[in-house]
Amino acid sequence: AQSVTQPDIHITVSEGASLELRCNYSYGATPYLFWYVQSPGQGLQLLLKYFSGDTLVQGIKGFEAEFKRSQSSFNLRKPSVHWSDAAEYFCAVLSKAGNNRKLIWGLGTSLAVNP
Amino acid sequence: GAVVSQHPSRVICKSGTSVKIECRSLDFQATTMFWYRQFPKQSLMLMATSNEGSKATYEQGVEKDKFLINHASLTLSTLTVTSAHPEDSSFYICSARDAASGYSYEQYFGPGTRLTVT
Repeated sequence: AQSVTQPDIHITVSEGASLELRCNYSYGATPYLFWYVQSPGQGLQLLLKYFSGDTLVQGIKGFEAEFKRSQSSFNLRKPSVHWSDAAEYFCAVLSKAGNNRKLIWGLGTSLAVNP
Repeated sequence: GAVVSQHPSRVICKSGTSVKIECRSLDFQATTMFWYRQFPKQSLMLMATSNEGSKATYEQGVEKDKFLINHASLTLSTLTVTSAHPEDSSFYICSARDAASGYSYEQYFGPGTRLTVT
């Protein structure tokens, strides 16, 4: 069955420190992978996505993610975290079964940033 | 671009009443819209997928008679929670796919509606 695992429920980093949020997926074919961020009072916003090609994907707000097929991972990284990055981060894989294309979501990682 | 709005942002209703939540794509046409439910500190649970002009496809375990979805136009979908009960209290989020997006499969999300049933 298709699934997404985000092993870290909560992470705290200091402002200016580097960040890596882990995401592992289970999917039989080539996955379409997404990272979304949810800030309080705002809708989920797409940070980046991977469909094919270069396995290192650049996104908005200075985020990047690397697709590693051998590890079934799509970890999100940022070299220097800002206080405004505190939010909930969700990894998702697109399920292409049947006629409806729907997202399979991880449980999310809550990021806190210390000043 | 690609803005999705939801109305209302918050609603409090009494047990037994019905509540309608609107989801609109403001600057694009959405052939497909999705309705999610999110519990505190938890992930998104897909409730149903609606395609414009056709019946919604509900996920397993979601009561279609309780959560009525109407996608009557390319810019509007509504979710009606009928005979609401306190256990229906939750955060409801809609998203929409741009009809012109082809195979990008990107979903644009509304800000959500907080429903509290007393």
